[in-house]
Amino acid sequence: EAGVAQSPRYKIIEKRQSVAFWCNPISGHATLYWYQQILGQGPKLLIQFQNNGVVDDSQLPKDRFSAERLKGVDSTLKIQPAKLEDSAVYLCASSLELVGGNIQYFGAGTRLSVL
Amino acid sequence: GENVEQHPSTLSVQEGDSAVIKCTYSDSASNYFPWYKQELGKRPQLIIDIRSNVGEKKDQRIAVTLNKTAKHFSLHITETQPEDSAVYFCAAPRPGSNYQLIWGAGTKLIIKP
Repeated sequence: EAGVAQSPRYKIIEKRQSVAFWCNPISGHATLYWYQQILGQGPKLLIQFQNNGVVDDSQLPKDRFSAERLKGVDSTLKIQPAKLEDSAVYLCASSLELVGGNIQYFGAGTRLSVL
Repeated sequence: GENVEQHPSTLSVQEGDSAVIKCTYSDSASNYFPWYKQELGKRPQLIIDIRSNVGEKKDQRIAVTLNKTAKHFSLHITETQPEDSAVYFCAAPRPGSNYQLIWGAGTKLIIKP
């Protein structure tokens, strides 16, 4: 089966600029996650969608970050304006809900460098 | 509070030796514990998981053990090989959440030739 697709793979911007990331989850996966992974750390959840609804965005810095999943499939994550501390890898993951725990499948990520 | 502690942060072993990484969790109701491997510059990938109704699960050179009483679970890699070099993350369900995971900080495993 096709995996989680993300684009772009790399992005370099200057601080205060805007950037957008795109994610296409595995077909049929209702749940989609966006994570931020800073070098040397574990993934930090930014937002979780189930179909086209937001389940949890409590850790999303809403003054500059936004995300949407309009048709319950693809999702975009936007940063506007970017700060130096936003430099990280942005990972998208999707999963099926299974009784007893779900498996999250990750995309290759977008490596963002803010200069 | 909700937390997953992972140790050690770095582990260096001789090729062919065994490696053990341990994680502790706080919520006694947690019932699913995955381990992910992330090679340099690549995506995290699930390598093994365990559910709370069993104490151990094996897959070739990889095994995971679960101690529900002590609230910890461990990843065991035997006969380590150079391709085992990576960062390993454990995770546990976030209490009260809908299919969210709390992630450990990661263990960088280095296999020395």
